[in-house]
Parts: sequence; structure tokens; C-alpha cells
Amino acid sequence: EDQVTQSPEALRLQEGESSSLNCSYTVSGLRGLFWYRQDPGKGPEFLFTLYSAGEEKEKERLKATLTKKESFLHITAPKPEDSATYLCAVLGAADKLIFGTGTRLQVFP
Amino acid sequence: KAGVTQTPRYLIKTRGQQVTLSCSPISGHRSVSWYQQTPGQGLQFLFEYFSETQRNKGNFPGRFSGRQFSNSRSEMNVSTLELGDSALYLCASQMAPVAAGTEAFFGQGTRLTVV
Repeated sequence: EDQVTQSPEALRLQEGESSSLNCSYTVSGLRGLFWYRQDPGKGPEFLFTLYSAGEEKEKERLKATLTKKESFLHITAPKPEDSATYLCAVLGAADKLIFGTGTRLQVFP
Repeated sequence: KAGVTQTPRYLIKTRGQQVTLSCSPISGHRSVSWYQQTPGQGLQFLFEYFSETQRNKGNFPGRFSGRQFSNSRSEMNVSTLELGDSALYLCASQMAPVAAGTEAFFGQGTRLTVV
């Protein structure tokens, strides 16, 4: 059965303190791994899609990487506005997006 | 370009009642997927519609149903509401079917509370 596990569940960072979020997955026939950001009371906002091991994508202070078993979302020098829940999802042969339960990130000034 | 619109934003219903939620996708998008989000389970896939046809379905009871109209707008219905149905219901819009692997754009959701 396709499964996604995100860690840690919650992360508190000081502004400027870089860190990484982890997304471990088991899926039959990976077609894509997606990262989303969700603010309280809002729907998820698309960040990145990764399709194959070794692929990397960057956007401002965020960088996503992918291996055959996991993906990392690296946050460099975070700011308070980066505070949100970050969701990882995989698309496999079942043609369904399977989401992890997310990492709740808080960045303090 | 308008985003995904879900109505209503908030609903309070009584156990045993039924409810209908609506989703208008981004113009030109033909795929609409529905998800249930709860604190304990995260986002769970309900079903996907593409060009008025249900392409895929998650592991939810038959009380949960949906449909899509010719203009790509979609509705989902929950009958005989239970307390456990309280959740944020999210709709996602894509140009192509989910299987194509393109990004999904989400609406702000409908917060359903069952009392």
C-alpha cells in the first residue's frame, strides 16, 4: 500500500536557522512527488514537483530533493513568513495523490 | 485568473442530515478531485472527476458521492451525516487527469461541522 511519512511533526526555528524537512515514501511506480505549503484556514499551495531520483528544485529559500526512498525540503535562512504546514504527496500507479500528515513549521524572529 | 472556488466556506449540520458542497475549478481545468482533511488523518482522497466521469475513488463509504457537470463544476454530497464527518473538505483542480502528474490547485475548502 502506498504510504507517506513526514518528519518531524513540528519544528520550531529561529529566524535564519536553516533546517530540513523529511518525507519518506513507499509507492508502486512513482509518477511524481509533490510539496505543498498550507497556511491556517487555507487550502494547500503548490510548491514543487519532483519526478525522478536525483532531481532538485529551488524557489527562494526552499530547495526540494528526491531519492528513491525519500525527499527533503531544505529551508535556508527562514523568515517568520515561512511559518506554515508543509505537506508532501506522492502519485503512484494507483493514480491517487497520497499525502503525508505534514510538518508544522514555526519560525520565530 | 480566478482560482478554485468552493462554496460554502462554513457549514453546520446535524447528525443524520445530508449536505452538498460545490467546487468551481480554474477555467480550462477539467479534472476535479475532492479530499477530506482532519487533524489526525491529514488529507485523504475521496474521488476524482474528469470530463464528467469518475476516474478514481478513495476508501470512503457510499454515503460520500460526487458528480461533475459539463462546465467542469463539481459537487460532492454526504448523506446521513455522522459526527466523524466533521472536517475540512478540499477541492483540487487540474488541467489533466491526476494520473498525468501535473500540479493540483486547491480551493480554500469548506469547513463542515456535524453536531
